[in-house]
Amino acid sequence: AQSVTQLGSHVSVSEGALVLLRCNYSSSVPPYLFWYVQYPNQGLQLLLKYTTGATLVKGINGFEAEFKKSETSFHLTKPSAHMSDAAEYFCAVRNGNQFYFGTGTSLTVIP
Amino acid sequence: GAGVSQSPRYKVAKRGQDVALRCDPISGHVSLFWYQQALGQGPEFLTYFQNEAQLDKSGLPSDRFFAERPEGSVSTLKIQRTQQEDSAVYLCATQRDSSSYNEQFFGPGTRLTVL
Repeated sequence: AQSVTQLGSHVSVSEGALVLLRCNYSSSVPPYLFWYVQYPNQGLQLLLKYTTGATLVKGINGFEAEFKKSETSFHLTKPSAHMSDAAEYFCAVRNGNQFYFGTGTSLTVIP
Repeated sequence: GAGVSQSPRYKVAKRGQDVALRCDPISGHVSLFWYQQALGQGPEFLTYFQNEAQLDKSGLPSDRFFAERPEGSVSTLKIQRTQQEDSAVYLCATQRDSSSYNEQFFGPGTRLTVL
């Protein structure tokens, strides 16, 4: 069975501070892992994905995530938060045709 | 258009009414997915089409939910005899092929409110 756990439904950071959004997964097969961002009243937009190969994945808008098999984690980071990063972030694991999403983390950026 | 579009963007229905939600995929995209996103939750898988074939409908919560994609392009999600628990945002996503590697592109969603 596949599932995703996002620790912290709300995260607040100061502008310019490090962003760390946590994601742990369970998967019965080698996982394909994704991070999506959702702005208000918009659809989900892909930030980055891990399928195979390098475990440190770089995405759009300065985000990156590292796949750690031993910890079953895929945490999302950004060195310096920007006001425009305020949004809802979803981690997802894919198995075949189905995506399994976490419950999301709402990121607030404090000026 | 350049992206996935959904209509209507907002729908208010009285309990017991039937509703139809439309998804216009990116041109040429083979795979189409429907998700239900309840308030404060992540999207949950409903059903999957490859072209016109509905290959997986295991996520449909009841037989009141029905989806079709008759010509392998536009898809409609129909909910019969709506209930209050059906209130959610319904997301459509498409993908250019069936590979698990590739990105799904999401539409803006239809927010359904059942009174």
